[in-house]
Amino acid sequence: AQSVTQPDIHITVSEGASLELRCNYSYGATPYLFWYVQSPGQGLQLLLKYFSGDTLVQGIKGFEAEFKRSQSSFNLRKPSVHWSDAAEYFCAVRPNNNDMRFGAGTRLTVKP
Amino acid sequence: GAGVSQSPSNKVTEKGKDVELRCDPISGHTALYWYRQRLGQGLEFLIYFQGNSAPDKSGLPSDRFSAERTGESVSTLTIQRTQQEDSAVYLCASSLIISEQFFGPGTRLTVL
Repeated sequence: AQSVTQPDIHITVSEGASLELRCNYSYGATPYLFWYVQSPGQGLQLLLKYFSGDTLVQGIKGFEAEFKRSQSSFNLRKPSVHWSDAAEYFCAVRPNNNDMRFGAGTRLTVKP
Repeated sequence: GAGVSQSPSNKVTEKGKDVELRCDPISGHTALYWYRQRLGQGLEFLIYFQGNSAPDKSGLPSDRFSAERTGESVSTLTIQRTQQEDSAVYLCASSLIISEQFFGPGTRLTVL
């Protein structure tokens, strides 16, 4: 079945540590790929997106993501996490022009 | 306005009542989506409108749920005979055909 998987429901990292949030998808062709962040009580904000070209994508707030076709993955990374990064992160996939599917989300907790 | 707007921001209703939720997309965006987000959960796709095409209703959980969209503008999500399990935040998003989605702030629905 076509799906978007975020294997980690909850991740805790220390402030200043590096972060990687995983996202895998199962669609036939390479879809458009997105990462969104949802801070507590806030709406969803786009962090970055991949349509084509360079597989390493830079986003806002110091985030980046790498598309790996062979692994059907689009993992989100940040070299040094800040306390304000604590939020829910959603990977999203647009397999065609008519559809958008979200993963279940990964909740990030940042320890002082 | 510049972004997606939704109204009301909060709605408290009694079980069995009907509710209408409104979404004003970004002007010029041909696609409009509705999602449901239960407390602590991910985004659940409900329905998708694209231009004048027939909407994709595959995510509607029951026939109590319906949605309409007038051309490429306002959309209304209607929930009839509300149940307590309908309590959630209902999110609307709009987009151009191949761009990312822009989300509204959501309507928090509480069914007593």
